[in-house]
Amino acid sequence: KQEVTQIPAALSVPEGENLVLNCSFTDSAIYNLQWFRQDPGKGLTSLLLIQSSQREQTSGRLNASLDKSSGRSTLYIAASQPGDSATYLCAVQAITSYDKVIFGPGTSLSVIP
Amino acid sequence: GAGVSQSPRYKVTKRGQDVALRCDPISGHVSLYWYRQALGQGPEFLTYFNYEAQQDKSGLPNDRFSAERPEGSISTLTIQRTEQRDSAMYRCASSSLAEGTDTQYFGPGTRLTVL
Repeated sequence: KQEVTQIPAALSVPEGENLVLNCSFTDSAIYNLQWFRQDPGKGLTSLLLIQSSQREQTSGRLNASLDKSSGRSTLYIAASQPGDSATYLCAVQAITSYDKVIFGPGTSLSVIP
Repeated sequence: GAGVSQSPRYKVTKRGQDVALRCDPISGHVSLYWYRQALGQGPEFLTYFNYEAQQDKSGLPNDRFSAERPEGSISTLTIQRTEQRDSAMYRCASSSLAEGTDTQYFGPGTRLTVL
């Protein structure tokens, strides 16, 4: 059974710091891994999608890496801003159950001005 | 059925026509999500419901798109005056927790082609 974990559960940093969020998954047989952002009371905003054949993806100040063999992904946020405050979720789409996207519990990020 | 079902599975329509896409979630699931997925891409969030209440529709591309879930079960995504750029796979998902961070179970999707 695929399980997705994220550490830390919560993170508070001063504005301007670079930070790393971690995601781990137990079954490396995945189609892709996706990082989402969720603001309170809102839906999910897709940030980055990494296909299983890829090692990383970049978008602006965000960089996500994927090490499928070790079951890990990291989301790197450069020069954090208060507007980055949100919950960040990673999700994997498993090969063995294509219809299911399994989300991690999320990391709640607070960037202090 | 045991899983999320969507209908129709395929829809071909002419530009300017309205289409209605249906999603039947897993029985008892509180949350229902609509996504749009382009080929080779991950799902792009459109909107979601907790029970019959639409919680967030900020992902809807424009006012031609609307969704409803009047009785807290089946949901319909309607696209008015379709355009070619609306062509995509439309997927819905449901989950058992109101906060939606539990596993989301996706339906097979509706492949919409606008000619």
